[in-house]
Amino acid sequence: AQSVTQLDSHVSVSEGTPVLLRCNYSSSYSPSLFWYVQHPNKGLQLLLKYTSAATLVKGINGFEAEFKKSETSFHLTKPSAHMSDAAEYFCVVRDLFSGGYNKLIFGAGTRLAVHP
Amino acid sequence: SQTIHQWPATLVQPVGSPLSLECTVEGTSNPNLYWYRQAAGRGLQLLFYSVGIGQISSEVPQNLSASRPQDRQFILSSKKLLLSDSGFYLCAWSVHKGLNPEAFFGQGTRLTVV
Repeated sequence: AQSVTQLDSHVSVSEGTPVLLRCNYSSSYSPSLFWYVQHPNKGLQLLLKYTSAATLVKGINGFEAEFKKSETSFHLTKPSAHMSDAAEYFCVVRDLFSGGYNKLIFGAGTRLAVHP
Repeated sequence: SQTIHQWPATLVQPVGSPLSLECTVEGTSNPNLYWYRQAAGRGLQLLFYSVGIGQISSEVPQNLSASRPQDRQFILSSKKLLLSDSGFYLCAWSVHKGLNPEAFFGQGTRLTVV
């Protein structure tokens, strides 16, 4: 069965410093992987997705993630944090056995705090 | 472009009262539709999904039900709310078939049962 593990429940960075949010996945097949962001009391917004094309995926707001099959990882990075990046981030894998309904399996989330 | 609307944004209901949350999608046809719940400090739990009108599948047993009376309308209901039904409810859609497996989410409904 597919699953994702977000290795940090909380990450705190200073504004202007790099961001690294870690995610490991478990899948017997080449997975579809996503990162979503959720600001307080808001819905989830898709940051980026990996669907077996280029292993380095660029997303919105300067975020990117690299799919590393050998490490079963899909870490999210950003070179320079902005105050507006403070939010909760979810790593997500698509359940390959869900048939036609695209069942998504969510990690527990990582709360990113950005300090001035 | 596609948009998803979910309402109300916040709701406070007494225990034992009924519930109806509505979600509509615009700009697409025959979407897959989903209801998720997010409890405080926890990840997202899939409650229901639908691949077509009148077709509802439940992921977990609970006090809630879902209906899809029209192609782009998805309703979450309860006859009698429990305290444990409190949470943040999110509606989402994805394409029925194709190369884009991601889901798109509404803005959510914060439900507090008192």
